Amino acid sequence: ETGVTQSPTHLIKTRGQQVTLRCSSQSGHNTVSWYQQALGQGPQFIFQYYREEENGRGNFPPRFSGLQFPNYSSELNVNALELDDSALYLCASRLAGEGETQYFGPGTRLLVL
Amino acid sequence: RKEVEQDPGPFNVPEGATVAFNCTYSNSASQSFFWYRQDCRKEPKLLMSVYSSGNEDGRFTAQLNRASQYISLLIRDSKLSDSATYLCVVNEVGWGALIFGKGTTLSVSS
Repeated sequence: ETGVTQSPTHLIKTRGQQVTLRCSSQSGHNTVSWYQQALGQGPQFIFQYYREEENGRGNFPPRFSGLQFPNYSSELNVNALELDDSALYLCASRLAGEGETQYFGPGTRLLVL
Repeated sequence: RKEVEQDPGPFNVPEGATVAFNCTYSNSASQSFFWYRQDCRKEPKLLMSVYSSGNEDGRFTAQLNRASQYISLLIRDSKLSDSATYLCVVNEVGWGALIFGKGTTLSVSS
């Protein structure tokens, strides 16, 4: 296994609510990325954190935000949930400067009703 | 134009068949290339990196043509366990964001 864990595994929310998803990276990995995978699509890059700072962002609105903590854990927060936010959310961690292999967690499946 | 485009699927093949997946990417500045495998309702897992010189891992062979911005994956002697979605992935400027294709689904039957 990759050593990357995510919680919760599944979540149901309603439109307008807020959600926080959590990721625990491999020990020592200082970079974490979050991806959104809608049904039938490939994962789409949301943003990346390096040493607790966001250092790259995909085409996602500001209501998608994140945090990275010194203990290699991170959060993805989504405010004002919309129906189209229903997807599998994946985090991936790596050690910057040690190749480009990213290790994915099992994902959180979010359903917005 | 999508950044990474793959063959539309699904591919349905018998055991033992050889199957090829193709992929094109739009950004000539892309630096790293990969094939990931994703099983149903699971996370993507790295299958192999792709190099200009071509690389082989058992029954799997990957090729990269930078001039044509084209990536391929060849699977020989398909097994039932090869049934999955195969994702073509590029990494631009090496800073971390992976750009995924939509994926091609392979179904191997006995």
